[in-house]
Amino acid sequence: EAQVTQNPRYLITVTGKKLTVTCSQNMNHEYMSWYRQDPGLGLRQIYYSMNVEVTDKGDVPEGYKVSRKEKRNFPLILESPSPNQTSLYFCASSDWDRGTPLHFGNGTRLTVT
Amino acid sequence: AQSVSQHNHHVILSEAASLELGCNYSYGGTVNLFWYVQYPGQHLQLLLKYFSGDPLVKGIKGFEAEFIKSKFSFNLRKPSVQWSDTAEYFCAVNLITDSWGKLQFGAGTQVVVTP
Repeated sequence: EAQVTQNPRYLITVTGKKLTVTCSQNMNHEYMSWYRQDPGLGLRQIYYSMNVEVTDKGDVPEGYKVSRKEKRNFPLILESPSPNQTSLYFCASSDWDRGTPLHFGNGTRLTVT
Repeated sequence: AQSVSQHNHHVILSEAASLELGCNYSYGGTVNLFWYVQYPGQHLQLLLKYFSGDPLVKGIKGFEAEFIKSKFSFNLRKPSVQWSDTAEYFCAVNLITDSWGKLQFGAGTQVVVTP
């Protein structure tokens, strides 16, 4: 089954404790992206990757890191999480240049206390 | 700054009523346009997309959208809604530039359809 898998689904952590949210897709998509969803703000793009070893900032990259060492994986790293990073995070992938829609993961709800 | 605006944050309507959700963007160049739907507790799913050609685009579940370039708009419509259309709807715009991987979403419109 074609899917984007995020882990964990729920995460509660404390300020400053490094964490990684994993994202993996099995569709051989070149394009992957991370978004955060906040009430009243919609989805805001954090980082995206057009291919392996190619990443670029979205609209809200501060406080986040990503890496794309393999085509299927695109982890989101919070080196020193802060309470304002409490949010719902979505990973997505696509064959971007073929115009296929974004396939979204099921989301990760992160709470930073 | 480039932006995507959805005019209504909340819409409440009865079953069988017609739905129109507004979306405007501020980019001046070539764009790809999308509408996504998020049902309660689920991830986003594509309703329809516009890349080029006929500005009237038909999507899934009876939805359609019209791209009006002169108005920088991409409004979503459905002639007769059902209770199952209760969801949040997001307009998204991709500006075709060197940084064409950036996709910007509107703030979303929460639609509630009452029986």
